[in-house]
Amino acid sequence: NAGVTQTPKFRVLKTGQSMTLLCAQDMNHEYMYWYRQDPGMGLRLIHYSVGEGTTAKGEVPDGYNVSRLKKQNFLLGLESAAPSQTSVYFCASRKPGSILNQPQHFGDGTRLSIL
Amino acid sequence: AQSVTQPDIHITVSEGASLELRCNYSYGATPYLFWYVQSPGQGLQLLLKYFSGDTLVQGIKGFEAEFKRSQSSFNLRKPSVHWSDAAEYFCAVGGGRGSTLGRLYFGRGTQLTVWP
Repeated sequence: NAGVTQTPKFRVLKTGQSMTLLCAQDMNHEYMYWYRQDPGMGLRLIHYSVGEGTTAKGEVPDGYNVSRLKKQNFLLGLESAAPSQTSVYFCASRKPGSILNQPQHFGDGTRLSIL
Repeated sequence: AQSVTQPDIHITVSEGASLELRCNYSYGATPYLFWYVQSPGQGLQLLLKYFSGDTLVQGIKGFEAEFKRSQSSFNLRKPSVHWSDAAEYFCAVGGGRGSTLGRLYFGRGTQLTVWP
């Protein structure tokens, strides 16, 4: 069972470069989320989507864009990478409904370094 | 405002010893509370969750957590730690208007080291 798959797992970028992180889930989940994890700060929500074609901002959306063209995929884009975006990025997905009954399922993360 | 405080950044225990990881929360509505575990190089796995009912909840891998409303706490415990429990543990809160969206607010995490 694949669950939530994130690609790539590691990437090093130079300041100003662009890239796209891919999150794919095979559980037919409606809701998907992108988080960043920084030392001493836990996970913070960047953007989320409640269905194909819809996205919304989370706590820390600046510098990122997202797209949900297909239900199973949620893309996170960095148009012009900055060192402050060095982080570990996690994707999660879940079914609609209460978070108590439909918890989030997480991918293994993408470790991104911006030089 | 919603927030989660995990006061201990790093805890070290000996294998077989008991464990308690602290979590305090601030939330504007009745909270849904969660503990997640993250092993190195992996994503977060749900250990247990709480909304109402018995204030002592059981989770996977022998973990339990106790909800104390008067202290706004949801501490994680395990009677006897195994070396495989070494990981990072995150407390999270959600609920209220955000419950259907599934928004969670995470603490900064507690890194657990287990000595053999």
